[in-house]
Formats: sequence, C-alpha cells, structure tokens
Amino acid sequence: GIQVEQSPPDLILQEGANSTLRCNFSDSVNNLQWFHQNPWGQLINLFYIPSGTKQNGRLSATTVATERYSLLYISSSQTTDSGVYFCAVSAPKAAGNKLTFGGGTRVLVKP
Amino acid sequence: GAVVSQHPSWVICKSGTSVKIECRSLDFQATTMFWYRQFPKQSLMLMATSNEGSKATYEQGVEKDKFLINHASLTLSTLTVTSAHPEDSSFYICSARRAGAVTGELFFGEGSRLTVL
Repeated sequence: GIQVEQSPPDLILQEGANSTLRCNFSDSVNNLQWFHQNPWGQLINLFYIPSGTKQNGRLSATTVATERYSLLYISSSQTTDSGVYFCAVSAPKAAGNKLTFGGGTRVLVKP
Repeated sequence: GAVVSQHPSWVICKSGTSVKIECRSLDFQATTMFWYRQFPKQSLMLMATSNEGSKATYEQGVEKDKFLINHASLTLSTLTVTSAHPEDSSFYICSARRAGAVTGELFFGEGSRLTVL
C-alpha cells in the first residue's frame, strides 16, 4: 500500500515563530488532507489539498503531486497551535478511497 | 458544515463484556464510513470500511468477529467490540464521506476512548 512519511516527528516553537511541516508519499494520490489533532483527540480538518495551494488564516498548504509531497506552513504560531498534525492520503487504486495516515508531527508552541 | 458525531466519548467496561460505539453523520448522508484505531502517541490505523447496506471490509489483521461493524442507514454506523479484553483499550475514531460529493474529503468524529479493566 501507499506509504506516508511526515517530518519532523517533533517540533518545539516559540510563540510567534513560523514553521514548515512536510509530508512525503510513495504513490499518486487523489486525496490529501491535513488534520490537527487537539489534546482531546478530535481531528480537525485543516485542508483538503490533493494538489495546488490553499490558505486559511495563519495556515497554508501546498501539494506538489508530481513530486509526491505536501507542505503545511504555520505562521506566527500560537500556543493553541500545539498538538499533532497529520497528513493523510488516498490512492486512486485504494478501495473506497480510504485514507492512509502519516506518523504525524507533534508540535509544541511555548509562550 | 459536515458534522460527524460519536457516542459514547468515553467508556469503561469489564473484561469479557461487549461495547457498542455509534458513529453518526449529523447533516449529511454517508454511504461509506471508516473506522480507525489509535494507540497512545501513535498514528491512526484503519480497521475497516463500512458500506451502507452491505458487509464491512476489514483490513488485514483485524478480526471481523471481534470488531463487528454495522452500517444500517445512511447516517449511522456502529462498531461493537465483542468480549473486550484490556488489549482492546484504545481510541476509536470514525470518519465519513458525504454521499455524492465531488471531492473525497473525509470528516471525522470526536473519537471514543475505550478502557477495558
């Protein structure tokens, strides 16, 4: 099946700093989503971005499908940005378009 | 929006008992729902794909007799952990795709934390 790798695994930021999270995948995808998992475990949809660039407030994402990677940018980080960020993809060959998750990036923003 | 709700959020049960977790799409219909499992400090692992009106498709290594899935309507899927044991303690999360949607975007429930004593 498709492999998804995220880097870095852990990230410590000072409040106000910018950061870039990376997601590499091993095959062509027809779905790519970024999520933020809050301390209570809920997955918050950040972006649906199988290709191209999107922005939502301080967050933006870019997926270069031909090179099999996606980037999530966090600007002017806040303590509420802490949590785990997951990238998940599905391949056209995957039955039911099921999502495969990367290992996540654990982000801690310090005040 | 696209809201997916799970119930219960927390459940504690004794070893050997069965526990049912519900996943509902509140404002859309979902022909397909997915059940994931997450251990502490790990990623989400897909357990099974639930299709409305048909049998679920289980991922390799997932015991279908242990984790019973029923998708009886376009807004409800249930996961029943049968004869639960402490090693079944985990965080279970469901997701759903809007029926007829142009994109394949999935929406996730808030998760259900199971502790088996």
